[in-house]
Amino acid sequence: DGGITQSPKYLFRKEGQNVTLSCEQNLNHDAMYWYRQDPGQGLRLIYYSQIVNDFQKGDIAEGYSVSREKKESFPLTVTSAQKNPTAFYLCASSIANRLYEAFFGQGTRLTVV
Amino acid sequence: AQSVTQLDSQVPVFEEAPVELRCNYSSSVSVYLFWYVQYPNQGLQLLLKYLSGSTLVKGINGFEAEFNKSQTSFHLRKPSVHISDTAEYFCAVSDQYAGGTSYGKLTFGQGTILTVHP
Repeated sequence: DGGITQSPKYLFRKEGQNVTLSCEQNLNHDAMYWYRQDPGQGLRLIYYSQIVNDFQKGDIAEGYSVSREKKESFPLTVTSAQKNPTAFYLCASSIANRLYEAFFGQGTRLTVV
Repeated sequence: AQSVTQLDSQVPVFEEAPVELRCNYSSSVSVYLFWYVQYPNQGLQLLLKYLSGSTLVKGINGFEAEFNKSQTSFHLRKPSVHISDTAEYFCAVSDQYAGGTSYGKLTFGQGTILTVHP
């Protein structure tokens, strides 16, 4: 079945450590996105990529980094520079065309202790 | 820049009652509009979308929404809710303009928690 897979579902890390969240899709979508979700704040865009080897900062990119070496994969690294990393992270993908809709993964809940 | 405002953070209703979740947006260009539903600790599922054509859009699970360009609104409605509709609902917008810097990005509202009571 086609879809987006985020792993792991739950992740615990100590403060000051970098951590990488995985996102893989087999929908043949060109565009991929990372969103952060906090209670009462909706979803905020961290990074997005329209094609392989290219990505742009979203609204809250500070403290995060990404790579897009393959069409299917768009990993997100939460660095020690991110001041409040505890959140629910959602990956999405879409057809990069005039008409599209975004498909979302099941999310990764990151807790930094 | 686009923005989305969901006017109610929480909406409690009784089972079988009608419900309306309100969404207003602002944008300098024409937009596409979406409603998503999120169950606890899950990803987002697309309920319905407005891309063009009829302003009344029907989605899954008996939901519908009406695009009102003059009022820049896209309110979500269901005539009779079920306990299983309890979830958080997000309104989102995206540029229609291909090639702009915000093209392809969804801008979300803050979410509305719908709680259906027996």
